[in-house]
Amino acid sequence: SQKIEQNSEALNIQEGKTATLTCNYTNYSPAYLQWYRQDPGRGPVFLLLIRENEKEKRKERLKVTFDTTLKQSLFHITASQPADSATYLCALDMGAAGNKLTFGGGTRVLVKP
Amino acid sequence: GAVVSQHPSWVICKSGTSVKIECRSLDFQATTMFWYRQFPKQSLMLMATSNEGSKATYEQGVEKDKFLINHASLTLSTLTVTSAHPEDSSFYICSASLAGGYGYTFGSGTRLTVV
Repeated sequence: SQKIEQNSEALNIQEGKTATLTCNYTNYSPAYLQWYRQDPGRGPVFLLLIRENEKEKRKERLKVTFDTTLKQSLFHITASQPADSATYLCALDMGAAGNKLTFGGGTRVLVKP
Repeated sequence: GAVVSQHPSWVICKSGTSVKIECRSLDFQATTMFWYRQFPKQSLMLMATSNEGSKATYEQGVEKDKFLINHASLTLSTLTVTSAHPEDSSFYICSASLAGGYGYTFGSGTRLTVV
């Protein structure tokens, strides 16, 4: 079965710097790879989706890369702000209609002012 | 954008009682919804896939008689935790998606505490 690994250690970063998070998966590549933000006591919020034929996707200060050869996605938060502090989850979607998401363990990011 | 409403946001119940959690898609129709459970400092674990008009599909290890799912309309799925026990205390979250790879929208979650 598919296994998704994210760095379980919290990432402490200074405001203004770039935070880089890693998501590695085993076995088959998904049709879509997604990133979500989760704040304590809340449901995840969708951030970005990248397709298997895309190398990079950007949204404002966020950037996601997808390397199907390495079976890895990188998630970057540029010019980080204290409000970016949250847990970030990587999720895989095989793309079939009504298919389910499989989540990684998440990486907690703490941006210090 | 797609909005999923989940209710209640928290509930405390006595051991042995049943609790119902509702998940509604507010501005779109969802033939499929998903129910997750999340324990502290852990990631989301899929419990079941809720299918409108048919039986839910449960993940391995999830007791279907304990976690009853009903998806009677295109905008409402319910999860009932029957005969709840303290070990059922957790954060339950539902989600749905628009077709076409636009990501999934999650409810705000329900914190269940069984005492």
